[in-house]
Amino acid sequence: QQQVKQSPQSLIVQKGGIPIINCAYENTAFDYFPWYQQFPGKGPALLIAIRPDVSEKKEGRFTISFNKSAKQFSLHIMDSQPGDSATYFCAASGGYGQNFVFGPGTRLSVLP
Amino acid sequence: EPEVTQTPSHQVTQMGQEVILRCVPISNHLYFYWYRQILGQKVEFLVSFYNNEISEKSEIFDDQFSVERPDGSNFTLKIRSTKLEDSAMYFCASSELGTRSGNSPLHFGNGTRLTVT
Repeated sequence: QQQVKQSPQSLIVQKGGIPIINCAYENTAFDYFPWYQQFPGKGPALLIAIRPDVSEKKEGRFTISFNKSAKQFSLHIMDSQPGDSATYFCAASGGYGQNFVFGPGTRLSVLP
Repeated sequence: EPEVTQTPSHQVTQMGQEVILRCVPISNHLYFYWYRQILGQKVEFLVSFYNNEISEKSEIFDDQFSVERPDGSNFTLKIRSTKLEDSAMYFCASSELGTRSGNSPLHFGNGTRLTVT
């Protein structure tokens, strides 16, 4: 119940495409859902996060869609660029200081 | 922008040796974490630390592991007797507690690559 599932495992798109990464969870106590971007040799960096009281959040070219009833959330990257090529992790947590659980990651490649 | 710093960036050690990985969290953060990532795999939670004590730990964090905040700025992870399977990237993270709405994001360091030979 503590797992976060993520798909696809890898994704290749052309520059300007809109990659979509999906995540699903079981634990209804989760109330915070961040996305992290990781470049090789670096730590994960927070990209965007959402709480379940909203269904969508947009920051620049990145949008999170959240479906509370289905316990699913997804990341959309508009007008993707080669510089967006990285591994993306969804995560979930619930309550103050509670453990963040990460999905297995999606390796995105944006071709020029 | 304040950041989490980790040292060393790469540590090579022999099986059975003790290692200490060091982290300096962001100064106004109150929660500290260690995660690890085996090459190309998911980020796995090890332990969280608040108010000078462990608040949560995973099954991975067995008796070989310990954490300490020896002073006001450093946060360390000690592995007492390293095994080959401890080879991984170890990430320190911190978060700021204090918003009424709950969770604040994790801020990660760039990691220490531990290689056990």
